Amino acid sequence: ELKVEQNPLFLSMQEGKNYTIYCNYSTTSDRLYWYRQDPGKSLESLFVLLSNGAVKQEGRLMASLDTKARLSTLHITAAVHDLSATYFCAVDYAQGAQKLVFGQGTRLTINP
Amino acid sequence: NAGVMQNPRHLVRRRGQEARLRCSPMKGHSHVYWYRQLPEEGLKFMVYLQKENIIDESGMPKERFSAEFPKEGPSILRIQQVVRGDSAAYFCASGERPGLIQETQYFGPGTRLLVL
Repeated sequence: ELKVEQNPLFLSMQEGKNYTIYCNYSTTSDRLYWYRQDPGKSLESLFVLLSNGAVKQEGRLMASLDTKARLSTLHITAAVHDLSATYFCAVDYAQGAQKLVFGQGTRLTINP
Repeated sequence: NAGVMQNPRHLVRRRGQEARLRCSPMKGHSHVYWYRQLPEEGLKFMVYLQKENIIDESGMPKERFSAEFPKEGPSILRIQQVVRGDSAAYFCASGERPGLIQETQYFGPGTRLLVL
């Protein structure tokens, strides 16, 4: 059974600081996704990572994938309050069928 | 292009009643996925459907839950004889062609089900 684990689960940080969220998964997969969820809202797609060494950046967020280590990271640079949300990674369990297995989520709070 | 639509957004049911959740995928998308999110948890896969076909229902509880995606109209997730443990947010996602390497699932706003 594929397991996806994120850490930390809760993260409180100050504006302007950098931090990294980690996502480990237990079996081989060819796609990894990062989503953002605001309270009471749906999920917004942030990144799709498809290959070993893939790195994608959007604004203050950068995601990377190491398929050999089965590890993805989401790095936040110079955090701002607007980035406060819960971040989920998800792994495509059934190749090509997009049956996603989600991590528990990391609740990020950025304080002024 | 309208996104994935779900209704109702909020649904309150008493124990033993039926709940019907609807999902209209994005225009041009023929694949629908249902996920359930319990409070403070990640999403759990329930079922994957194409038009008129259930492709994978390995995440569906064996009893009381069913899903369909008819040729015409929205996908329906049906929960019979609801219990308090069914209270959760139910999200629908749609995709165009899962085999596409860049395929992403687009999520609807969710239906928050509360069972009293």
